[in-house]
Amino acid sequence: NAGVTQTPKFRVLKTGQSMTLLCAQDMNHEYMYWYRQDPGMGLRLIHYSVGEGTTAKGEVPDGYNVSRLKKQNFLLGLESAAPSQTSVYFCASSWGTGTGEQYFGPGTRLTVT
Amino acid sequence: AQSVTQLDSQVPVFEEAPVELRCNYSSSVSVYLFWYVQYPNQGLQLLLKYLSGSTLVESINGFEAEFNKSQTSFHLRKPSVHISDTAEYFCAVSDKMIQGAQKLVFGQGTRLTINP
Repeated sequence: NAGVTQTPKFRVLKTGQSMTLLCAQDMNHEYMYWYRQDPGMGLRLIHYSVGEGTTAKGEVPDGYNVSRLKKQNFLLGLESAAPSQTSVYFCASSWGTGTGEQYFGPGTRLTVT
Repeated sequence: AQSVTQLDSQVPVFEEAPVELRCNYSSSVSVYLFWYVQYPNQGLQLLLKYLSGSTLVESINGFEAEFNKSQTSFHLRKPSVHISDTAEYFCAVSDKMIQGAQKLVFGQGTRLTINP
């Protein structure tokens, strides 16, 4: 099993450009999450999904959109990138109910200039 | 809603010394608690977890954490650290979302640096 994978690993964008980050999991998990990690701020939840076709906002959703068209994939989109979105983005998945234990991908380092 | 406070943002220690990374959470109701570790340029990996039962939980690489309900704490300890333990450590607590689902609330992280 590959677990949780993310593409790309690195990306540099100019302000105003758009991009999509892809997360895939092969554990048949119902729930998937997108976080951003900034120095001194831990992980903050951007959006999450409790199942195929559903999405919900987390703590810091502004400037991001998500889609979960297939159970194994969770896409994070930036329509018009801003320097404040420079961060490391992590995807995670879990069974959802139960303990809440999450499995994380390796991350995507995004720089917006 | 739950919140998690990691009391130290950085902890430098010498190799083979003991270490304690402190974590407090906000609620005294039944919770699930986790420590995750992030090695440089990698994602988060689960280190250990408390779900129920014994209040002392251990990881395979010598870390242990003690759940203290009265003090709402879940401190992480290791009696003798190694250079390879250099990483950032995140404490997390489960919290209920809509539809009864659980989410994790993370602390700000503690950067553990081991000096030779």
